[in-house]
Formats: sequence, C-alpha cells, structure tokens
Amino acid sequence: NAGVTQTPKFQVLKTGQSMTLQCAQDMNHNSMYWYRQDPGMGLRLIYYSASEGTTDKGEVPNGYNVSRLNKREFSLRLESAAPSQTSVYFCASALRDRAQYSSYEQYFGPGTRLTVT
Amino acid sequence: AQSVAQPEDQVNVAEGNPLTVKCTYSVSGNPYLFWYVQYPNRGLQFLLKYITGDNLVKGSYGFEAEFNKSQTSFHLKKPSALVSDSALYFCAVRDLLPRGNNRKLIWGLGTSLAVNP
Repeated sequence: NAGVTQTPKFQVLKTGQSMTLQCAQDMNHNSMYWYRQDPGMGLRLIYYSASEGTTDKGEVPNGYNVSRLNKREFSLRLESAAPSQTSVYFCASALRDRAQYSSYEQYFGPGTRLTVT
Repeated sequence: AQSVAQPEDQVNVAEGNPLTVKCTYSVSGNPYLFWYVQYPNRGLQFLLKYITGDNLVKGSYGFEAEFNKSQTSFHLKKPSALVSDSALYFCAVRDLLPRGNNRKLIWGLGTSLAVNP
C-alpha cells in the first residue's frame, strides 16, 4: 500500500495564480483532511470530509476550496493564491469506525511545500 | 473550550537518558488522546493512542504514554533516548464538538525534541 500520496511535492506560484493540490489514499478510509503547517502555529485544519460526498470547513478555510472526488481522492484548490498561503500542506485520512468510535488516528501524506511570491 | 497544551517548545536530553514530552488537555467528556511524531521534511506519523483501559499505553519505537485523568495529562515517555528520536512531537485529542461523528482532532503546537550524542 502506498498509504496517502500527495502531488506535487513542491510548488512556486505567483500571487493571483491558481492551483490544485491532489491527495489520494488506498487504505479504504472514509474521512480525509487538509491541514496547513506554519512555524509556531502547529497544524491548522483547512477542510475535511467525514465521508464521501460531504465536506466541511475547518479552522482556516478562507481562500481554499475542496472536492471529495470519490472515496480515495480529496483535492484542495487555491483559486487566487496569496503570499499568506505560503505553507506546507498535509493531507490525512482516517478510518471510520461506527461501532467503537475508536479509530480516530489519522495517516498523513508527505506534504506539499508551497511558496507564493 | 476544548484544548491541548504542550508546555515546552523544546526538550533537550542526552542519548541514553529517559525522556518526557508533556501534554495536558481540556475536554468536556472522555478524552481520546494521541501522539504523533514528525521527522524533518516528512509527514506526521502516528505513535500511540489512549482510548480506554490501562493508563500506560505502549506505542511505536519504544515510546509509551501515561494517561492521568486527575492531572488531565498524557505525557510521552521513553526509558532511553536515541539520537534518531530527535523530531517534532505532537499531542492531539478528539474534538467532541459539535456533537456527533465529526472525526476531527485538536492539535497541540508541537514540542521539538533534541537528543544529544
């Protein structure tokens, strides 16, 4: 299993450009997440998808959109990039366990390092 | 409000000595608690979790964590540190709000562990 994969690994954008970060998981997980990581601020949730067909805003959704394309794929789109969106972006997934509510651990991709100039 | 605190930005320990990385939490119900590790330029990796049962939880790479309900703490420990343990460590707790199966985690800001040879 590849686990959680993200593309691209690195990207440089000019202010105002758009791009889509791709994420896929092959673990048959129901839930998927997009985070950004900035120095001194830890992980901040941008959007998440509790299950296929649903998406919800996290802490910092402004300037982003998401699409849960199918159970495997969850993409993050920046419509008009701004320097404040320079960050490392992580996708994660988690198994849904209705019976015990125990499987909250999330599995992370390797990240995309985005610079907006 | 629900929260997780990692009171130390950085922990330094000599190789071979025991290490402790601290985490305290504040939630309104039963906590599900997690530790993750992030090596340089990598995604986060799940180390261990506490859901219920024995207060001492064992995880990957020889790490363990002790759940203390009265002190609302979940400190990460290892009896003998290795230089290769040097990394960023994150504590997280299940987000209980809004009620329901939202599958989100609340993250601490991380603690940088440096193990000196």
